[in-house]
Amino acid sequence: RKEVEQDPGPFNVPEGATVAFNCTYSNSASQSFFWYRQDCRKEPKLLMSVYSSGNEDGRFTAQLNRASQYISLLIRDSKLSDSATYLCVVNKNSNSGYALNFGKGTSLLVTP
Amino acid sequence: DAMVIQNPRYQVTQFGKPVTLSCSQTLNHNVMYWYQQKSSQAPKLLFHYYDKDFNNEADTPDNFQSRRPNTSFCFLDIRSPGLGDAAMYLCATSRGQPNQPQHFGDGTRLSIL
Repeated sequence: RKEVEQDPGPFNVPEGATVAFNCTYSNSASQSFFWYRQDCRKEPKLLMSVYSSGNEDGRFTAQLNRASQYISLLIRDSKLSDSATYLCVVNKNSNSGYALNFGKGTSLLVTP
Repeated sequence: DAMVIQNPRYQVTQFGKPVTLSCSQTLNHNVMYWYQQKSSQAPKLLFHYYDKDFNNEADTPDNFQSRRPNTSFCFLDIRSPGLGDAAMYLCATSRGQPNQPQHFGDGTRLSIL
């Protein structure tokens, strides 16, 4: 089983729609969770950290389910500018806790 | 305002000709990472430095080396690039503590002729 797995998509949604992505991770001891956004041929950029109790940042909501080992990202009222690849990121299985594993990403295309 | 700076943005080299990519940071972070990313793939960690301590990933080819002469700079050396080494190379930094995100530079896109 891969350490971080995501549905690659693409998810094609109309502007204004709500879309959700899931990600599963294999290491039950993982402590750090993030969503990154990556535009085509650009570097990954931190979208948000994911906290145990769930957290929201504007139109974006992240949830963590430790029992089932998955993380979700919900985007409400999608904008054209949300079109990108969304990378699920979990800390690697190491004592340090700071090195990260990246998923392959889920591609989102928001259309007019 | 760029905090992690990679040079050059685009690099073209010949098959087998050594090439060096550079990364600098103004964040004073303990850890600097080098990733390789190919199209539609996840960034793949090659190695990282925690301060002066070098940490190589088990599956990183010997062809890839790194140097970190000081806190601010880190270099990726590819001794004999092959066609399969064409990729985006990403430098990232972090504080080296749990729950801390990594901050990426713009990347260097390497092409091999």
